[in-house]
Amino acid sequence: DVKVTQSSRYLVKRTGEKVFLECVQDMDHENMFWYRQDPGLGLRLIYFSYDVKMKEKGDIPEGYSVSREKKERFSLILESASTNQTSMYLCASSLSRWTSGRADNEQFFGPGTRLTVL
Amino acid sequence: AQSVTQLDSQVPVFEEAPVELRCNYSSSVSVYLFWYVQYPNQGLQLLLKYLSGSTLVKGINGFEAEFNKSQTSFHLRKPSVHISDTAEYFCAVTPYSSASKIIFGSGTRLSIRP
Repeated sequence: DVKVTQSSRYLVKRTGEKVFLECVQDMDHENMFWYRQDPGLGLRLIYFSYDVKMKEKGDIPEGYSVSREKKERFSLILESASTNQTSMYLCASSLSRWTSGRADNEQFFGPGTRLTVL
Repeated sequence: AQSVTQLDSQVPVFEEAPVELRCNYSSSVSVYLFWYVQYPNQGLQLLLKYLSGSTLVKGINGFEAEFNKSQTSFHLRKPSVHISDTAEYFCAVTPYSSASKIIFGSGTRLSIRP
Protein backbone atom coordinates (compact mmCIF):
# COMPACT_ATOMS: atom_id res chain seq x y z
CA ASP A 1 0.00 0.00 0.00
CA VAL A 2 1.46 3.34 -1.07
CA LYS A 3 2.07 5.77 1.69
CA VAL A 4 2.81 9.43 2.28
CA THR A 5 3.21 10.37 5.92
CA GLN A 6 3.46 13.75 7.58
CA SER A 7 5.20 14.29 10.89
CA SER A 8 2.30 15.89 12.73
CA ARG A 9 -1.48 15.99 12.32
CA TYR A 10 -1.86 19.10 14.47
CA LEU A 11 0.69 21.73 15.37
CA VAL A 12 0.42 24.94 17.40
CA LYS A 13 3.23 27.49 17.17
CA ARG A 14 3.81 31.08 18.19
CA THR A 15 4.44 34.02 15.89
CA GLY A 16 8.11 34.27 15.00
CA GLU A 17 8.95 30.64 15.64
CA LYS A 18 10.77 28.55 13.06
CA VAL A 19 8.54 25.67 12.02
CA PHE A 20 9.47 22.42 10.28
CA LEU A 21 6.90 20.23 8.55
CA GLU A 22 8.19 16.85 7.44
CA CYS A 23 6.89 14.57 4.73
CA VAL A 24 8.06 11.06 3.89
CA GLN A 25 6.98 8.81 1.02
CA ASP A 26 7.80 5.15 0.55
CA MET A 27 6.98 4.85 -3.15
CA ASP A 28 10.34 5.90 -4.59
CA HIS A 29 8.65 8.88 -6.25
CA GLU A 30 10.80 11.53 -7.87
CA ASN A 31 8.33 14.41 -7.44
CA MET A 32 7.21 15.83 -4.13
CA PHE A 33 4.92 18.78 -3.40
CA TRP A 34 3.80 21.04 -0.61
CA TYR A 35 0.36 22.66 -0.76
CA ARG A 36 -1.64 24.77 1.61
CA GLN A 37 -5.38 24.38 1.76
CA ASP A 38 -7.69 27.19 2.86
CA PRO A 39 -11.49 27.30 2.73
CA GLY A 40 -12.77 28.51 -0.63
CA LEU A 41 -9.28 28.65 -2.14
CA GLY A 42 -8.67 24.96 -2.81
CA LEU A 43 -5.08 23.76 -2.90
CA ARG A 44 -2.33 26.21 -3.62
CA LEU A 45 1.14 24.99 -4.50
CA ILE A 46 3.91 26.35 -2.29
CA TYR A 47 6.97 24.47 -3.58
CA PHE A 48 7.75 21.28 -5.39
CA SER A 49 10.81 19.16 -5.96
CA TYR A 50 11.52 16.89 -8.91
CA ASP A 51 14.73 15.38 -7.59
CA VAL A 52 17.02 15.37 -4.58
CA LYS A 53 18.30 18.88 -3.86
CA MET A 54 16.14 20.29 -6.67
CA LYS A 55 13.25 22.61 -5.96
CA GLU A 56 10.98 25.02 -7.74
CA LYS A 57 8.70 27.73 -6.46
CA GLY A 58 5.01 27.20 -6.74
CA ASP A 59 2.30 29.83 -6.70
CA ILE A 60 2.73 31.09 -3.14
CA PRO A 61 6.36 30.55 -1.99
CA GLU A 62 6.70 33.74 0.06
CA GLY A 63 7.48 33.05 3.69
CA TYR A 64 8.41 29.42 3.04
CA SER A 65 11.47 27.40 2.11
CA VAL A 66 12.00 23.70 1.47
CA SER A 67 14.65 21.06 1.78
CA ARG A 68 15.08 17.75 -0.01
CA GLU A 69 18.26 15.98 1.05
CA LYS A 70 16.94 12.46 0.46
CA LYS A 71 14.57 11.18 -2.20
CA GLU A 72 11.94 10.03 0.27
CA ARG A 73 11.83 13.17 2.44
CA PHE A 74 10.64 16.69 1.68
CA SER A 75 10.58 19.34 4.38
CA LEU A 76 8.68 22.60 4.47
CA ILE A 77 10.18 25.36 6.61
CA LEU A 78 8.47 28.48 7.91
CA GLU A 79 11.43 30.69 8.81
CA SER A 80 9.38 33.00 11.03
CA ALA A 81 5.80 31.86 11.44
CA SER A 82 3.03 34.42 11.12
CA THR A 83 -0.68 34.21 11.87
CA ASN A 84 -1.55 34.30 8.17
CA GLN A 85 0.25 30.99 7.78
CA THR A 86 -2.37 29.26 9.89
CA SER A 87 -3.66 26.63 7.48
CA MET A 88 -3.84 22.98 6.51
CA TYR A 89 -0.62 21.83 4.85
CA LEU A 90 -0.69 18.87 2.49
CA CYS A 91 2.25 16.95 1.12
CA ALA A 92 2.02 14.88 -2.06
CA SER A 93 4.26 12.81 -4.28
CA SER A 94 4.19 11.45 -7.82
CA LEU A 95 6.25 9.51 -10.29
CA SER A 96 8.28 11.34 -12.87
CA ARG A 97 6.60 11.15 -16.24
CA TRP A 98 9.95 10.87 -17.94
CA THR A 99 11.24 7.89 -16.00
CA SER A 100 8.00 6.02 -15.39
CA GLY A 101 6.52 6.26 -18.87
CA ARG A 102 3.18 7.11 -17.32
CA ALA A 103 1.20 9.76 -19.12
CA ASP A 104 -0.52 11.31 -16.13
CA ASN A 105 0.82 13.05 -13.07
CA GLU A 106 -1.37 11.38 -10.47
CA GLN A 107 -0.39 12.61 -7.03
CA PHE A 108 -0.60 10.71 -3.75
CA PHE A 109 -1.35 12.74 -0.65
CA GLY A 110 -0.46 12.60 3.02
CA PRO A 111 -3.09 13.13 5.74
CA GLY A 112 -2.22 16.79 6.23
CA THR A 113 -0.89 18.93 9.06
CA ARG A 114 -3.20 21.52 10.55
CA LEU A 115 -0.96 24.35 11.70
CA THR A 116 -2.15 27.10 13.99
CA VAL A 117 0.07 30.11 14.56
CA LEU A 118 -0.85 32.17 17.62
CA ALA B 1 -2.19 28.64 -18.52
CA GLN B 2 -4.84 26.34 -17.15
CA SER B 3 -7.63 26.98 -14.69
CA VAL B 4 -10.34 24.90 -13.09
CA THR B 5 -13.73 26.21 -11.99
CA GLN B 6 -15.98 24.31 -9.64
CA LEU B 7 -19.23 26.18 -9.87
CA ASP B 8 -20.70 25.11 -6.54
CA SER B 9 -18.84 25.57 -3.28
CA GLN B 10 -21.44 23.54 -1.37
CA VAL B 11 -23.98 20.95 -2.48
CA PRO B 12 -26.51 19.60 0.03
CA VAL B 13 -28.47 16.51 -0.99
CA PHE B 14 -30.66 13.95 0.69
CA GLU B 15 -29.43 10.41 1.19
CA GLU B 16 -30.18 8.11 -1.77
CA ALA B 17 -30.73 11.10 -4.08
CA PRO B 18 -28.61 11.57 -7.22
CA VAL B 19 -25.89 14.21 -7.27
CA GLU B 20 -23.86 16.05 -9.87
CA LEU B 21 -20.79 18.14 -9.02
CA ARG B 22 -19.84 20.48 -11.79
CA CYS B 23 -16.36 21.19 -13.10
CA ASN B 24 -15.25 23.32 -16.02
CA TYR B 25 -11.70 23.91 -17.10
CA SER B 26 -9.84 26.30 -19.33
CA SER B 27 -6.74 25.30 -21.26
CA SER B 28 -5.13 26.09 -24.59
CA VAL B 29 -3.56 22.62 -24.68
CA SER B 30 -4.88 19.13 -24.12
CA VAL B 31 -5.20 18.01 -20.52
CA TYR B 32 -5.71 14.98 -18.36
CA LEU B 33 -8.48 15.31 -15.79
CA PHE B 34 -8.96 14.11 -12.24
CA TRP B 35 -11.45 14.08 -9.42
CA TYR B 36 -10.05 13.77 -5.90
CA VAL B 37 -12.04 13.30 -2.68
CA GLN B 38 -11.10 14.51 0.79
CA TYR B 39 -12.96 12.94 3.70
CA PRO B 40 -13.05 14.89 6.97
CA ASN B 41 -9.62 15.24 8.57
CA GLN B 42 -7.88 13.30 5.84
CA GLY B 43 -5.70 13.98 2.82
CA LEU B 44 -6.91 13.75 -0.76
CA GLN B 45 -7.38 10.45 -2.56
CA LEU B 46 -8.01 9.81 -6.22
CA LEU B 47 -11.63 9.15 -7.14
CA LEU B 48 -11.16 8.78 -10.90
CA LYS B 49 -9.17 10.12 -13.83
CA TYR B 50 -9.58 10.63 -17.56
CA LEU B 51 -6.55 10.06 -19.76
CA SER B 52 -8.01 9.02 -23.11
CA GLY B 53 -10.58 6.74 -24.70
CA SER B 54 -14.17 6.53 -23.52
CA THR B 55 -15.40 9.85 -22.25
CA LEU B 56 -17.35 8.19 -19.43
CA VAL B 57 -15.02 7.27 -16.61
CA LYS B 58 -15.96 5.12 -13.66
CA GLY B 59 -14.29 5.55 -10.30
CA ILE B 60 -14.44 4.23 -6.78
CA ASN B 61 -17.52 4.22 -4.56
CA GLY B 62 -19.96 4.31 -7.48
CA PHE B 63 -18.91 7.68 -8.85
CA GLU B 64 -18.50 8.42 -12.53
CA ALA B 65 -17.56 11.45 -14.59
CA GLU B 66 -18.06 12.45 -18.20
CA PHE B 67 -15.48 14.35 -20.21
CA ASN B 68 -17.01 16.82 -22.64
CA LYS B 69 -14.32 18.40 -24.77
CA SER B 70 -16.57 20.86 -26.58
CA GLN B 71 -17.92 22.23 -23.31
CA THR B 72 -14.58 21.79 -21.49
CA SER B 73 -16.38 20.09 -18.64
CA PHE B 74 -15.77 17.07 -16.45
CA HIS B 75 -18.83 16.74 -14.21
CA LEU B 76 -18.94 14.13 -11.46
CA ARG B 77 -22.10 12.10 -10.82
CA LYS B 78 -23.47 9.47 -8.54
CA PRO B 79 -26.98 8.03 -8.96
CA SER B 80 -27.60 7.48 -5.23
CA VAL B 81 -25.51 9.01 -2.46
CA HIS B 82 -24.80 7.65 0.98
CA ILE B 83 -23.98 9.42 4.24
CA SER B 84 -20.41 8.18 3.85
CA ASP B 85 -20.03 10.30 0.69
CA THR B 86 -19.92 13.42 2.84
CA ALA B 87 -16.62 14.98 1.83
CA GLU B 88 -14.98 17.71 -0.20
CA TYR B 89 -14.44 16.97 -3.88
CA PHE B 90 -11.74 18.55 -6.00
CA CYS B 91 -11.57 18.64 -9.78
CA ALA B 92 -8.07 18.95 -11.23
CA VAL B 93 -6.24 19.05 -14.58
CA THR B 94 -2.73 18.50 -15.77
CA PRO B 95 -1.61 19.54 -19.25
CA TYR B 96 -0.09 16.92 -21.52
CA SER B 97 3.08 18.96 -21.59
CA SER B 98 3.50 19.23 -17.83
CA ALA B 99 6.10 17.06 -16.17
CA SER B 100 4.49 17.13 -12.79
CA LYS B 101 2.05 19.88 -11.87
CA ILE B 102 -1.66 19.49 -11.28
CA ILE B 103 -4.00 22.49 -11.11
CA PHE B 104 -6.82 22.09 -8.62
CA GLY B 105 -10.24 23.67 -8.44
CA SER B 106 -11.46 25.34 -5.26
CA GLY B 107 -13.47 22.31 -4.16
CA THR B 108 -17.13 21.42 -3.62
CA ARG B 109 -18.33 20.38 -0.21
CA LEU B 110 -20.94 17.64 -0.49
CA SER B 111 -23.17 17.27 2.54
CA ILE B 112 -25.65 14.41 2.78
CA ARG B 113 -28.85 14.79 4.79
CA PRO B 114 -30.53 11.67 6.18
